[in-house]
Amino acid sequence: SQQGEEDPQALSIQEGENATMNCSYKTSINNLQWYRQNSGRGLVHLILIRSNEREKHSGRLRVTLDTSKKSSSLLITASRAADTASYFCATPSSGGSYIPTFGRGTSLIVHP
Amino acid sequence: NAGVTQTPKFQVLKTGQSMTLQCAQDMNHNSMYWYRQDPGMGLRLIYYSASEGTTDKGEVPNGYNVSRLNKREFSLRLESAAPSQTSVYFCAMRTENTGELFFGEGSRLTVL
Repeated sequence: SQQGEEDPQALSIQEGENATMNCSYKTSINNLQWYRQNSGRGLVHLILIRSNEREKHSGRLRVTLDTSKKSSSLLITASRAADTASYFCATPSSGGSYIPTFGRGTSLIVHP
Repeated sequence: NAGVTQTPKFQVLKTGQSMTLQCAQDMNHNSMYWYRQDPGMGLRLIYYSASEGTTDKGEVPNGYNVSRLNKREFSLRLESAAPSQTSVYFCAMRTENTGELFFGEGSRLTVL
């Protein structure tokens, strides 16, 4: 079953604006990952944040994690048309084996 | 995507036909996964393999079999294809040190 769910399902913004996507999950985790998928391509890893971290940066990406609320957010600053893609969060499923589970994703369109 | 190669990229089958999707990694990691991606459903795990010679069912294993004969390759077989198996299939491997997933480019399967 899906552990994480992204919100919103779709986001449309203008180039230069910031884009914020959220991920909520159900059970305790030790890390959370964000991935990007361009149309017709495989997923590409963006960033991993561990449960003992509250915020992490990578270039124009900022990820936060609130374990008390079981939620994470991905902020893309100064969006570009090339950021148009679907974004997914991945969390380990509950249980012994490390099985990354994905939400349905947020579809981001950045208009030039 | 670097490290994971999937074949074929496209395939059209008739109901009842069989086929095998091939996946190979060149990074010597233990864990490999097969997901399917359908519109509005995100990625759902079909099978995974924690190490050479071991496989386990994921969320949607019915109608599929897998084989992990060596560390490098993890194949997915449809014995008798059904229209409900029309989907995009992704193979992935996970790095032990970071937990990051590397995905293949996907195999687009249509069952008529």
